[in-house]
Amino acid sequence: AQTVTQSQPEMSVQEAETVTLSCTYDTSESDYYLFWYKQPPSRQMILVIRQEAYKQQNATENRFSVNFQKAAKSFSLKISDSQLGDAAMYFCAYRSAGDSHAGGTSYGKLTFGQGTILTVHP
Amino acid sequence: NAGVTQTPKFQVLKTGQSMTLQCAQDMNHNSMYWYRQDPGMGLRLIYYSASEGTTDKGEVPNGYNVSRLNKREFSLRLESAAPSQTSVYFCASRDYLGNQPQHFGDGTRLSIL
Repeated sequence: AQTVTQSQPEMSVQEAETVTLSCTYDTSESDYYLFWYKQPPSRQMILVIRQEAYKQQNATENRFSVNFQKAAKSFSLKISDSQLGDAAMYFCAYRSAGDSHAGGTSYGKLTFGQGTILTVHP
Repeated sequence: NAGVTQTPKFQVLKTGQSMTLQCAQDMNHNSMYWYRQDPGMGLRLIYYSASEGTTDKGEVPNGYNVSRLNKREFSLRLESAAPSQTSVYFCASRDYLGNQPQHFGDGTRLSIL
């Protein structure tokens, strides 16, 4: 079974500065997907960024980027130019790629880390 | 765009009462999921439905039942609520294709007294 660990229960950053949230995972699979979700106080689960394990290039989405280290099984999220609206709980999640087509066995189930609460100071 | 709709948003039950949480999606997704979120534990999978007519247990299925009523709807039932089931419940859906992410509802906060 896969496990996902977020070792930072809380992090804080000054507005306009950069912060990195850590995530490690354990799997014996070679093909999988990794995700970062943001959960603001409204409780919505918002997809921030995704990474396919077969891609060596790190994913980026505007101010959000990841550092994907497959051998180390590490998937950190970097938030640049932090804004007050970035304050939220952030979850790292793993999904097997074994269900990319009908007939796979994992059916897109996500395994989540424990979450990191990010505070942004003005 | 409604996406994934969960009802109700909040509910308080007494121990032993039963309740069904409703979930509907309008994106024509094949797979649907129920998660619970507890402090310090992230989201954990309760049950999932890979396609209409099928359901399977996830990581924490005890005390719950599910029904995939049709392609749109996936309900979660607590037959005899216990205080340990106090949690925030999320429904999600997803299409089969490749790296498509799960789309989540806004959650139901359930308190069992």
